[in-house]
Amino acid sequence: EAAVTQSPRNKVAVTGGKVTLSCNQTNNHNNMYWYRQDTGHGLRLIHYSYGAGSTEKGDIPDGYKASRPSQENFSLILELATPSQTSVYFCASGLGGAGAETLYFGSGTRLTVL
Amino acid sequence: GEKVEQHESTLSVREGDSAVINCTYTDTASSYFPWYKQEAGKGLHFVIDIRSNVDRKQSQRLIVLLDKKAKRFSLHITATQPEDSAIYFCAASRGVGDNSKLIWGLGTSLVVNP
Repeated sequence: EAAVTQSPRNKVAVTGGKVTLSCNQTNNHNNMYWYRQDTGHGLRLIHYSYGAGSTEKGDIPDGYKASRPSQENFSLILELATPSQTSVYFCASGLGGAGAETLYFGSGTRLTVL
Repeated sequence: GEKVEQHESTLSVREGDSAVINCTYTDTASSYFPWYKQEAGKGLHFVIDIRSNVDRKQSQRLIVLLDKKAKRFSLHITATQPEDSAIYFCAASRGVGDNSKLIWGLGTSLVVNP
Protein backbone atom coordinates (compact mmCIF):
# COMPACT_ATOMS: atom_id res chain seq x y z
CA GLU A 1 0.00 0.00 0.00
CA ALA A 2 1.31 3.39 -1.02
CA ALA A 3 2.25 5.56 1.94
CA VAL A 4 2.12 9.34 2.19
CA THR A 5 2.92 10.93 5.54
CA GLN A 6 2.23 14.54 6.42
CA SER A 7 3.52 16.54 9.35
CA PRO A 8 2.42 18.15 11.50
CA ARG A 9 -1.18 16.88 11.82
CA ASN A 10 -2.25 20.14 13.40
CA LYS A 11 -0.62 23.56 13.41
CA VAL A 12 -1.54 26.90 14.91
CA ALA A 13 0.34 29.87 13.50
CA VAL A 14 0.24 33.62 13.94
CA THR A 15 -0.47 36.08 11.17
CA GLY A 16 2.75 37.05 9.45
CA GLY A 17 4.62 34.00 10.66
CA LYS A 18 6.31 31.40 8.48
CA VAL A 19 4.78 27.96 8.22
CA THR A 20 6.25 24.85 6.62
CA LEU A 21 4.11 21.79 5.95
CA SER A 22 5.98 18.61 5.17
CA CYS A 23 5.12 15.57 3.11
CA ASN A 24 7.02 12.33 2.68
CA GLN A 25 6.15 9.45 0.35
CA THR A 26 7.77 6.04 0.22
CA ASN A 27 6.14 5.00 -3.06
CA ASN A 28 8.87 6.24 -5.38
CA HIS A 29 6.22 8.25 -7.21
CA ASN A 30 7.36 10.96 -9.59
CA ASN A 31 4.45 13.32 -9.02
CA MET A 32 3.45 15.04 -5.82
CA TYR A 33 0.67 17.53 -5.14
CA TRP A 34 -0.46 19.97 -2.48
CA TYR A 35 -4.19 20.66 -2.13
CA ARG A 36 -6.26 22.63 0.31
CA GLN A 37 -9.75 21.60 1.29
CA ASP A 38 -12.34 24.15 2.34
CA THR A 39 -16.08 23.86 2.79
CA GLY A 40 -17.81 25.05 -0.34
CA HIS A 41 -14.66 24.83 -2.46
CA GLY A 42 -13.76 21.18 -2.44
CA LEU A 43 -10.14 20.38 -3.28
CA ARG A 44 -8.00 23.08 -4.85
CA LEU A 45 -4.53 22.50 -6.24
CA ILE A 46 -1.84 24.79 -4.87
CA HIS A 47 1.46 23.44 -6.21
CA TYR A 48 2.68 20.21 -7.71
CA SER A 49 5.91 18.58 -8.79
CA TYR A 50 7.01 16.11 -11.44
CA GLY A 51 10.17 15.11 -9.64
CA ALA A 52 13.05 16.24 -7.48
CA GLY A 53 13.95 19.84 -8.11
CA SER A 54 10.73 20.65 -9.96
CA THR A 55 7.77 22.67 -8.75
CA GLU A 56 4.81 23.93 -10.73
CA LYS A 57 2.02 26.35 -9.89
CA GLY A 58 -1.43 24.94 -9.48
CA ASP A 59 -4.73 26.78 -9.54
CA ILE A 60 -4.25 28.86 -6.36
CA PRO A 61 -0.48 29.37 -5.81
CA ASP A 62 -0.56 32.92 -4.45
CA GLY A 63 0.86 33.14 -0.94
CA TYR A 64 2.46 29.69 -1.15
CA LYS A 65 5.82 28.31 -2.19
CA ALA A 66 6.79 24.70 -2.69
CA SER A 67 10.01 22.78 -2.47
CA ARG A 68 10.86 19.30 -3.75
CA PRO A 69 14.42 18.56 -2.59
CA SER A 70 14.15 14.82 -3.22
CA GLN A 71 11.89 12.18 -4.75
CA GLU A 72 10.42 11.47 -1.30
CA ASN A 73 9.87 14.95 0.13
CA PHE A 74 7.63 17.82 -0.90
CA SER A 75 7.09 20.86 1.32
CA LEU A 76 4.58 23.67 1.24
CA ILE A 77 5.80 26.98 2.61
CA LEU A 78 3.74 29.93 3.75
CA GLU A 79 6.25 32.77 4.12
CA LEU A 80 3.75 35.22 5.62
CA ALA A 81 0.74 33.31 6.89
CA THR A 82 -2.67 34.99 6.78
CA PRO A 83 -6.00 33.97 8.37
CA SER A 84 -7.37 33.22 4.88
CA GLN A 85 -4.88 30.35 4.72
CA THR A 86 -6.63 28.58 7.58
CA SER A 87 -7.59 25.28 6.01
CA VAL A 88 -6.92 21.57 5.81
CA TYR A 89 -3.98 20.78 3.55
CA PHE A 90 -3.50 17.48 1.78
CA CYS A 91 -0.43 16.13 0.09
CA ALA A 92 -0.77 13.43 -2.55
CA SER A 93 1.54 11.41 -4.73
CA GLY A 94 1.06 9.54 -7.97
CA LEU A 95 3.05 7.74 -10.64
CA GLY A 96 1.47 9.77 -13.40
CA GLY A 97 1.05 8.72 -16.97
CA ALA A 98 -1.83 7.10 -18.80
CA GLY A 99 -3.26 4.24 -16.80
CA ALA A 100 -1.45 5.32 -13.65
CA GLU A 101 -3.47 8.30 -12.54
CA THR A 102 -4.36 7.08 -9.05
CA LEU A 103 -3.52 9.58 -6.32
CA TYR A 104 -2.44 8.52 -2.85
CA PHE A 105 -3.26 11.05 -0.16
CA GLY A 106 -1.81 11.79 3.23
CA SER A 107 -4.04 12.24 6.27
CA GLY A 108 -3.94 16.01 6.10
CA THR A 109 -2.65 18.94 8.13
CA ARG A 110 -5.14 21.21 9.83
CA LEU A 111 -3.67 24.72 9.83
CA THR A 112 -5.16 27.55 11.86
CA VAL A 113 -3.75 31.04 11.36
CA LEU A 114 -4.71 33.44 14.13
CA GLY B 1 -13.68 27.93 -16.01
CA GLU B 2 -14.61 24.30 -16.31
CA LYS B 3 -16.58 22.74 -13.48
CA VAL B 4 -17.64 19.46 -11.98
CA GLU B 5 -20.87 19.53 -10.03
CA GLN B 6 -22.00 16.96 -7.54
CA HIS B 7 -25.75 17.09 -7.31
CA GLU B 8 -26.20 15.64 -3.86
CA SER B 9 -24.39 17.34 -1.00
CA THR B 10 -25.78 14.76 1.44
CA LEU B 11 -27.35 11.37 0.95
CA SER B 12 -28.84 9.07 3.55
CA VAL B 13 -29.71 5.44 2.85
CA ARG B 14 -30.66 2.38 4.81
CA GLU B 15 -28.12 -0.41 5.12
CA GLY B 16 -28.55 -2.86 2.27
CA ASP B 17 -30.11 -0.31 -0.09
CA SER B 18 -28.29 1.21 -3.07
CA ALA B 19 -26.83 4.69 -3.09
CA VAL B 20 -26.37 6.79 -6.22
CA ILE B 21 -24.21 9.90 -6.46
CA ASN B 22 -24.45 12.00 -9.59
CA CYS B 23 -21.91 14.35 -11.15
CA THR B 24 -21.99 16.52 -14.23
CA TYR B 25 -19.07 18.17 -15.98
CA THR B 26 -18.75 21.05 -18.40
CA ASP B 27 -15.57 20.25 -20.34
CA THR B 28 -16.55 18.23 -23.39
CA ALA B 29 -12.95 17.06 -23.76
CA SER B 30 -12.92 15.34 -20.36
CA SER B 31 -11.82 11.74 -20.70
CA TYR B 32 -10.95 10.47 -17.22
CA PHE B 33 -13.34 10.34 -14.27
CA PRO B 34 -12.14 9.07 -10.87
CA TRP B 35 -14.00 8.72 -7.60
CA TYR B 36 -12.42 9.13 -4.18
CA LYS B 37 -13.71 8.39 -0.69
CA GLN B 38 -12.86 10.38 2.43
CA GLU B 39 -13.58 8.93 5.84
CA ALA B 40 -13.81 11.21 8.84
CA GLY B 41 -10.46 12.77 9.73
CA LYS B 42 -8.60 11.03 6.94
CA GLY B 43 -7.25 11.76 3.50
CA LEU B 44 -8.94 10.78 0.27
CA HIS B 45 -8.76 7.20 -0.95
CA PHE B 46 -9.23 6.12 -4.56
CA VAL B 47 -12.23 3.84 -5.10
CA ILE B 48 -12.92 3.52 -8.83
CA ASP B 49 -12.51 5.35 -12.11
CA ILE B 50 -13.85 5.27 -15.66
CA ARG B 51 -12.46 6.46 -18.96
CA SER B 52 -14.37 7.90 -21.86
CA ASN B 53 -13.92 4.83 -24.07
CA VAL B 54 -16.43 2.87 -21.94
CA ASP B 55 -19.79 3.72 -20.43
CA ARG B 56 -19.85 1.30 -17.51
CA LYS B 57 -17.35 -0.12 -15.07
CA GLN B 58 -17.86 -2.30 -12.03
CA SER B 59 -15.65 -3.19 -9.11
CA GLN B 60 -17.37 -5.41 -6.57
CA ARG B 61 -20.25 -3.33 -5.13
CA LEU B 62 -19.27 -0.17 -7.00
CA ILE B 63 -20.58 0.68 -10.45
CA VAL B 64 -19.70 3.79 -12.41
CA LEU B 65 -21.82 4.90 -15.37
CA LEU B 66 -20.75 7.50 -17.90
CA ASP B 67 -23.12 9.35 -20.27
CA LYS B 68 -20.93 11.46 -22.52
CA LYS B 69 -23.86 13.02 -24.36
CA ALA B 70 -25.31 14.36 -21.13
CA LYS B 71 -21.84 15.00 -19.67
CA ARG B 72 -22.87 13.06 -16.60
CA PHE B 73 -21.35 10.26 -14.60
CA SER B 74 -22.58 8.48 -11.51
CA LEU B 75 -21.38 6.21 -8.74
CA HIS B 76 -23.69 3.41 -7.67
CA ILE B 77 -22.96 1.64 -4.41
CA THR B 78 -25.01 -1.52 -4.10
CA ALA B 79 -25.86 -3.39 -0.89
CA THR B 80 -24.58 -0.51 1.22
CA GLN B 81 -22.84 -1.16 4.53
CA PRO B 82 -22.20 1.20 7.46
CA GLU B 83 -18.51 1.36 6.48
CA ASP B 84 -19.56 2.97 3.19
CA SER B 85 -20.42 6.10 5.19
CA ALA B 86 -17.99 8.78 4.05
CA ILE B 87 -17.65 11.78 1.76
CA TYR B 88 -17.35 10.82 -1.90
CA PHE B 89 -15.66 13.10 -4.41
CA CYS B 90 -15.97 12.89 -8.16
CA ALA B 91 -13.47 14.50 -10.51
CA ALA B 92 -12.86 14.91 -14.23
CA SER B 93 -9.82 15.51 -16.36
CA ARG B 94 -9.04 15.90 -20.04
CA GLY B 95 -5.37 15.26 -19.48
CA VAL B 96 -4.99 11.50 -19.42
CA GLY B 97 -2.28 10.68 -16.92
CA ASP B 98 -1.95 14.27 -15.71
CA ASN B 99 -3.58 14.79 -12.34
CA SER B 100 -2.70 18.46 -12.30
CA LYS B 101 -5.67 18.91 -14.60
CA LEU B 102 -8.22 17.21 -12.34
CA ILE B 103 -11.33 19.26 -11.59
CA TRP B 104 -13.01 18.18 -8.37
CA GLY B 105 -16.61 18.16 -7.26
CA LEU B 106 -17.50 19.48 -3.80
CA GLY B 107 -18.23 16.09 -2.32
CA THR B 108 -21.28 14.10 -1.25
CA SER B 109 -21.65 13.04 2.36
CA LEU B 110 -23.13 9.54 2.40
CA VAL B 111 -24.65 8.19 5.59
CA VAL B 112 -25.63 4.54 5.73
CA ASN B 113 -28.03 3.92 8.56
CA PRO B 114 -28.01 0.47 10.19
